[in-house]
Amino acid sequence: DQQVKQNSPSLSVQEGRISILNCDYTNSMFDYFLWYKKYPAEGPTFLISISSIKDKNEDGRFTVFLNKSAKHLSLHIVPSQPGDSAVYFCAASALGGAQKLVFGQGTRLTINP
Amino acid sequence: ETGVTQSPTHLIKTRGQQVTLRCSSQSGHNTVSWYQQALGQGPQFIFQYYREEENGRGNFPPRFSGLQFPNYSSELNVNALELDDSALYLCASSLGAGEAYNEQFFGPGTRLTVL
Repeated sequence: DQQVKQNSPSLSVQEGRISILNCDYTNSMFDYFLWYKKYPAEGPTFLISISSIKDKNEDGRFTVFLNKSAKHLSLHIVPSQPGDSAVYFCAASALGGAQKLVFGQGTRLTINP
Repeated sequence: ETGVTQSPTHLIKTRGQQVTLRCSSQSGHNTVSWYQQALGQGPQFIFQYYREEENGRGNFPPRFSGLQFPNYSSELNVNALELDDSALYLCASSLGAGEAYNEQFFGPGTRLTVL
């Protein structure tokens, strides 16, 4: 039962353009959503998050959009830079208790010069 | 401030053996979570320890067990290793548990290979 899904295993974008990574979830109990970035041989690094009471959160080049009715979130990176090349994981959590993170399968983003 | 560290970096075991993985939490953090990341998949929650007590468990069999020590470092033990246990094991530390989200900081992981 995959509660968080990232349907695109990979994405290739030209440097300077917008990168859009998508994520869908099924569990209505999730009330906090996060994006993590992972380089090889390193652990996931927190990128940006959004609470279920919001529909947008922006931090510099990164913006996360949440559509609760569609159970969909997306990460926009503008402009994309070569250092953004990594695997991106969408994760969700239900606040209270263990706050375990439920991750998607990841999307490998490649930024081409 | 020291980040989350894990040891060993890599480990090779044979089926049926037992393994212990170690994690040192980020300074000041009292909560540690363990995740298993199989090849090509996202991390899966194994369990969490908060102030030395198990605070939640994912869908993993009892042969996966853990400990948290008074200094909040942690161990993950896996008995009777199976080939499917081959994965990257990630430890994440955070401060507290409760209604507000507490950011989890991940270590670099231990790559376990079971032959």
